[in-house]
Amino acid sequence: AQSVTQLDSQVPVFEEAPVELRCNYSSSVSVYLFWYVQYPNQGLQLLLKYLSGSTLVKGINGFEAEFNKSQTSFHLRKPSVHISDTAEYFCAVSGPGAGNMLTFGGGTRLMVKP
Amino acid sequence: DAGITQSPRHKVTETGTPVTLRCHQTENHRYMYWYRQDPGHGLRLIHYSYGVKDTDKGEVSDGYSVSRSKTEDFLLTLESATSSQTSVYFCAISSPSTDTQYFGPGTRLTVL
Repeated sequence: AQSVTQLDSQVPVFEEAPVELRCNYSSSVSVYLFWYVQYPNQGLQLLLKYLSGSTLVKGINGFEAEFNKSQTSFHLRKPSVHISDTAEYFCAVSGPGAGNMLTFGGGTRLMVKP
Repeated sequence: DAGITQSPRHKVTETGTPVTLRCHQTENHRYMYWYRQDPGHGLRLIHYSYGVKDTDKGEVSDGYSVSRSKTEDFLLTLESATSSQTSVYFCAISSPSTDTQYFGPGTRLTVL
């Protein structure tokens, strides 16, 4: 069984400040890791993913995440946030291979203040 | 954006009535999924399909059934809706070439 913990339910931050959204997972098998973003009243959009290879993954909108196998973490970072980054962010894990189900964390609401 | 549509986008119904939500894809992807989103829980898998007429249960399948008679359509049915099924429902698709799930716009269901 897999589980995902997003340690912060809300993260307030000022515009142009750096941000880190934390994600820890547990799994007995190797995993694929994902970050999705959900803007208000919209569906989920893929931000970035780790399937294999380099542990530092770059995504859209200037976000990046680092897979740390020893700490079972996949934290999301951005060096300078914008008002438009205000959204809910979901970390998710699946087993390797197509068709595997995603297990989601509870989400982190990023609130960027002017 | 992946070619996924969901219908209806909003629905209000009464306890005890049947409800069917539709997910339609134009990507010819093999795998399709239904999730529900509730505050604090992220998204939880209800049912999924790995081919026409091939479906299986997810984490929160009680009270739901699904059908997939053709590749492009995946239906979610609430046989007798309850207030606990008030939620936002998302459909997703994936294929072996991407190992990534892409989500539809969602259906907001309110059961009174």
